[in-house]
Amino acid sequence: DPKIIQKPKYLVAVTGSEKILICEQYLGHNAMYWYRQSAKKPLEFMFSYSYQKLMDNQTASSRFQPQSSKKNHLDLQITALKPDDSATYFCASSQGTGVNTGQLYFGEGSKLTVL
Amino acid sequence: QQQVRQSPQSLTVWEGETAILNCSYEDSTFNYFPWYQQFPGEGPALLISIRSVSDKKEDGRFTIFFNKREKKLSLHITDSQPGDSATYFCAASGGSSGNKLIFGIGTLLSVKP
Repeated sequence: DPKIIQKPKYLVAVTGSEKILICEQYLGHNAMYWYRQSAKKPLEFMFSYSYQKLMDNQTASSRFQPQSSKKNHLDLQITALKPDDSATYFCASSQGTGVNTGQLYFGEGSKLTVL
Repeated sequence: QQQVRQSPQSLTVWEGETAILNCSYEDSTFNYFPWYQQFPGEGPALLISIRSVSDKKEDGRFTIFFNKREKKLSLHITDSQPGDSATYFCAASGGSSGNKLIFGIGTLLSVKP
């Protein structure tokens, strides 16, 4: 059974619209992350949260807003969608609050296509 | 600016051969280097990792060789199997990156039977 659940697995949106990507982890981890994987680019760190508090934000655009309603929940709201936002978005978690303390566990990703 | 570089971008080996995947980095403060394996349609999964105090880490058929002076590391997969066909990501963290993992672009490995 997947321990990190991401929904939806695939989604198509039109330019200018808004979407929310859902992530829940059942590993009992304290830290959660969002990464983006675009074609021909490395996996790119976006956000990290620990105990529902933002630790680090490497996303330049305010169109990307993480939302954490519970410790094991970290959603990603994307507004005013652009075709360049098309990518697979991965949620991840770790036991410690620093990645050096342990491995990252990734979900299966949400593949977003913006037309 | 790519902080973690991987080569080759794709590699094909025959079953039973040793696959060698290369990685280099720029930031000398990086001290933790995991390798992740990703199959199509799945998220990356940790395969093996090494810390900068070591020069070698072995786990079954997978071995990391680490050269701190040259800021290079490599992943050796011995006795390659078709099931090893996947994309392999080198990553780094520590020092200036804080708790962020910086990933390379990946090497797509194909093992032919």
